[in-house]
Amino acid sequence: EVQLVQSGAELKKPGESLRISCQASGYTFTSQWIAWVRQMPGKGLEWMGIFYPDDSDTRYSPSFLGQVTISADKSIKTAYLHWSSLKASDTAIYFCARFTGKTFDFWGQGTLVTVSS
Amino acid sequence: IVVTQSPGTVSVSPGERATLSCRASQSVGSNLAWYQQKPGQAPRLLIYDASTRATGIPARFSGSGSGTDFTLTISSLQSEDFAVYYCHHSKSWPPITFGQGTRLEIK
Repeated sequence: EVQLVQSGAELKKPGESLRISCQASGYTFTSQWIAWVRQMPGKGLEWMGIFYPDDSDTRYSPSFLGQVTISADKSIKTAYLHWSSLKASDTAIYFCARFTGKTFDFWGQGTLVTVSS
Repeated sequence: IVVTQSPGTVSVSPGERATLSCRASQSVGSNLAWYQQKPGQAPRLLIYDASTRATGIPARFSGSGSGTDFTLTISSLQSEDFAVYYCHHSKSWPPITFGQGTRLEIK
């Protein structure tokens, strides 16, 4: 059974760094893209970027390029989303999802990130 | 390629049919998918390749269309179908852009 399990909710201050995770199981981690999707409070889905664990090929949405870093550790089948300096506007739920090239077929449960002074 | 969903909100009574629209700014062939998101949950894949139901999706959900105009139809609405629905294309990426969503609410 394919599962994506994300790390828990975070409360951070502006300017702090943060890394959230997404652990995959039930499929060959290196053979499928992993995507990150943002959902701001009461808003729609925004694609942030995508990562191919086999060769670390990474593509970012222009809106998020330079704002976040996507990476993964193949040995533990885990993808990461990293901020070096959070802003209040980063407050949102972040989902990871497996991307087949056509669809986001499996999703993590979401990680709520709250950035507040 | 931008995808635009309409209407923003649609009100339908249980047992009736709902029709949701997704329009692409240029042809995406059949490379379109639909998702359902309920409050507090992750999105769930419903339809891919414009008309193929994902595993475990009830037959009351159907997708149609090709090129630039696509429709998600939910026949005989059940209480659990009231949610927000999103579409996106996969003809050429990146980027991958979702429609802004259609909220299906109980009339």
